[in-house]
Amino acid sequence: QSVLTQPPSASGTPGQRVTISCSGSSSNIGSNAVNWYQQLPGTAPKLLIYSNTQRPSGVPDRFSGSKSGTSASLAISGLQSEDEADYYCASWDDSLNGVVFGGGTKLTVL
Amino acid sequence: QVQLVQSGAEVKKPGASVKVSCKAFGYTFTSYYMHWVRQAPGQGLEWMGIIDPSGGSTSYAQKLQGRVTMTRDTSTSTVYMELSSLRSEDTAVYYCARDRAFDIWGQGTMVTVSS
Repeated sequence: QSVLTQPPSASGTPGQRVTISCSGSSSNIGSNAVNWYQQLPGTAPKLLIYSNTQRPSGVPDRFSGSKSGTSASLAISGLQSEDEADYYCASWDDSLNGVVFGGGTKLTVL
Repeated sequence: QVQLVQSGAEVKKPGASVKVSCKAFGYTFTSYYMHWVRQAPGQGLEWMGIIDPSGGSTSYAQKLQGRVTMTRDTSTSTVYMELSSLRSEDTAVYYCARDRAFDIWGQGTMVTVSS
């Protein structure tokens, strides 16, 4: 049981816009930044979004993040086949004094 | 080029210990905290703890307190994660990841615990 809650799966067709939600509480998302990671099969995770909305250099602007209260979302527009991967949200938790992750969302491009 | 290079795969028996290394290249080692994260087969990501390469201070996940030790060697820009009293549930890929945002990840080290 993960501290942050994500839907286990999401899907879309090429060109569509997909959003993945991440729900937490006042001790994590409610008071700390959210980061998002993309994990392609058999590879290490890659930072996709940091500080709720910021994209590292090299990450396409098709990927965007938002946060409101104790929830956050990752949006992927213009969906492409190479976006098929697992996506994880993460945040610091002040009560646990550590980083907490969502359980991950497997994105399928139909 | 900024990168983290981890040691190779390990196979251990239950009750043994394992020590995984993570060597940093391309940046000032002491300027960025380092985290350890693990991922059991087919499962999600689990945070294990953090070390400050500058002063060596650490903080560990409650679940692993007493079994995990993180250390560093500034002369070789390397951090280490040692996990003791291994059990089958510790079978996982272990990653080091840099800084608060985990902006750089190591390639992962597979640790298999099996009798």
